Amino acid sequence: IVLTQSPGTLSLSPGERATLSCRASQFISRDSLAWYQQKPGQAPRLLIYASIDRATGIPDRFSGSGSGTDFTLTISRLEPEDFAVYYCQQYDRSPRTFGQGTKVEIK
Amino acid sequence: QVLLVQSGAEVKKPGASMKLSCKASGYTFTSYYIHWLRQAPGQGPEWMGIINASGGSTTYAPQFLGRVTVTRDTSTNTVFLELNSLTSEDTAVYYCARTGEEWVAFDIWGHGTVVTVSS
Repeated sequence: IVLTQSPGTLSLSPGERATLSCRASQFISRDSLAWYQQKPGQAPRLLIYASIDRATGIPDRFSGSGSGTDFTLTISRLEPEDFAVYYCQQYDRSPRTFGQGTKVEIK
Repeated sequence: QVLLVQSGAEVKKPGASMKLSCKASGYTFTSYYIHWLRQAPGQGPEWMGIINASGGSTTYAPQFLGRVTVTRDTSTNTVFLELNSLTSEDTAVYYCARTGEEWVAFDIWGHGTVVTVSS
């Protein structure tokens, strides 16, 4: 399954809302879609799993939505620590695959 | 505290082999699965394979079949990744990551091991 993320880069200011898209080339069943945040020099960190469920310790300004082939990650109000690269990942079928990432940068 | 601690950076010649390790702590090792992924510079992560830490069964991504082996040592709670016939395209950061079941998201990641393949 190929995951296509858009936009490639999102330039926003702290306090603004970020909307990130992930489109799958095939139907993803059981909402088997996750979102990760990655900062330079660090491993990815799980934010959202099963399309909508926040991982332990993730603030509620992060929310996931979508099903089938179209999924969205929303950050309601950007904090300075949220500027990073975000990846979607499907775990519906093998091989597990990731999108190419959306970079959220400070405007 | 749940941790996956990976071995140190490696530099390899083309054609060589590598063996990386990932030591788990802070949880019951045999109740989880460990995956290996890699990330080339500027790219998204790429899934390589999975091992059931309890029974030791493995599954690999098609592009690595014949070149990769994942094993585990339950006496030391450590998982190993072997990759043979290295080329410059294998230059990447290699991560191990945990899942509680086979088909769920990666909840804990190792810190990564930088592997450079260069003549």
